[in-house]
Amino acid sequence: DAGVTQSPTHLIKTRGQQVTLRCSPISGHKSVSWYQQVLGQGPQFIFQYYEKEERGRGNFPDRFSARQFPNYSSELNVNALLLGDSALYLCASSLTGEGSPLHFGNGTRLTVT
Amino acid sequence: SQQGEEDPQALSIQEGENATMNCSYKTSINNLQWYRQNSGRGLVHLILIRSNEREKHSGRLRVTLDTSKKSSSLLITASRAADTASYFCATDPRDDKIIFGKGTRLHILP
Repeated sequence: DAGVTQSPTHLIKTRGQQVTLRCSPISGHKSVSWYQQVLGQGPQFIFQYYEKEERGRGNFPDRFSARQFPNYSSELNVNALLLGDSALYLCASSLTGEGSPLHFGNGTRLTVT
Repeated sequence: SQQGEEDPQALSIQEGENATMNCSYKTSINNLQWYRQNSGRGLVHLILIRSNEREKHSGRLRVTLDTSKKSSSLLITASRAADTASYFCATDPRDDKIIFGKGTRLHILP
């Protein structure tokens, strides 16, 4: 089975622009979570979706939004980019989302200049 | 905010030695998980221990959980160069978000 895939792998954007990151979960996994990881820190929880419904939201501004599609893939959108949004954005899928192990993609490295 | 906090922040040991890292957390949990991350890549799930379990083994990994102290430890025995990575504990507070600590950077010396 294919693992979690994320696209693009790298992205450079300018302050004020908008970005969309994409994630395809492992086949059969219905939950997708998004994390932001700044260099040297642990992943910070942004969103969790299960069966196309938002199940959890972390402490991020409204500039961050996400959605999950009927095929369980997901998009993370960030508007009005700031320099501080530069990070590795990780997507993880799991069977149920209820504390079951997360399977991570290799992330999208976003650089905001 | 991070629920868990790993200790030490960094650890260097000789190949073949055992590596122990600890995790403390703040609130009640359903389970605790450990993950490994090689530089710049996604995290890999290593082991999950439920709140009603005290110890769990998987290959060269041994995890303990003390819910009264809100702490866990990960022991890697007979370390190898390939074990060089960052290790994170992740907790599942009762609101179902999985929250990661800041990690321990483990370096295995040849």
